Amino acid sequence: QSALTQPPSASGSPGQSVTISCTGTSSDVGGYDYVSWYQQHPGKAPKLMIYEVNKRPSGVPDRFSGSKSGNTASLTVSGLQAQDEADYYCSSYVVNNNYVFGTGTKVSVL
Amino acid sequence: EVQLVESGGGLVQPGGSLRLSCVVSGFTFSSHWMSWVRQAPGEGLEWVANIKQDGSETYYVDSVKGRFTISRDNAKNSLYLQMNSLRAEDTAVYYCARNELTAFDIWGQGTMVTVSS
Repeated sequence: QSALTQPPSASGSPGQSVTISCTGTSSDVGGYDYVSWYQQHPGKAPKLMIYEVNKRPSGVPDRFSGSKSGNTASLTVSGLQAQDEADYYCSSYVVNNNYVFGTGTKVSVL
Repeated sequence: EVQLVESGGGLVQPGGSLRLSCVVSGFTFSSHWMSWVRQAPGEGLEWVANIKQDGSETYYVDSVKGRFTISRDNAKNSLYLQMNSLRAEDTAVYYCARNELTAFDIWGQGTMVTVSS
C-alpha cells in the first residue's frame, strides 16, 4: 500500500487560507468517505483535526474544514494563525481494516 | 482524563526483539479497536497494525507481517506490540492510538525504538 500523496509544504500569511491536497486511488481515498486529517507539532503526538472527510471533533476550531472529490481529499485552514504552523497528515481507510497515511505537509505561517 | 501511555522502547540490535506496551485510562478500553502507528526520524506517519475489541481480528502493514504481533489484555487495559526480527528500518517512534469512526482520535506520547548494532 503506497502512501497518499501530499505537497511537501504550504504557506500563508496570518488571516489567509491554505489548502492541502491528499491524493490516493479508488482503493483508498476514492473508495471510502473515511479520510481523516492530523496536525502534528514538533516533538508532539499527532492530533485528530478532521474525520470522515469533513467532520470536526469537539474542540477543533471551525477554521479547519475538509472535503473530497474523487481520489483527492483536501484540508483547508482559514484565518491562519501562528499556532497552525505544523505538519499535517491525511489518512484513509483501505480495504480489510488497513489504513494508509499521506506523505505529510509542512504548513508555514509567514 | 483520557490517557495512553506507551513503554518498552529502547536500543536493540538487528534481528533482536522488543515488546511495547500501552496502558490506557479514562475510557472503556474493551469497546474500541486499537492501533499502533510509527514515525521514523524525520519521516511521516505509518500505520503498523490494529486489533479488534475482543482481540479476534488483527491486521498489519505488509512490511511487518510475520515479524510483529499486536495483542491486548482488556482486564489490564493494555495494548501490546511484540516485535521480532527487528531491522534498521523499524527504527521509529511508536504510538498507540485509539480507533474511533475509522480515525485515530486519541494518541499516546510515543516510545522510541532504535535498531542498531
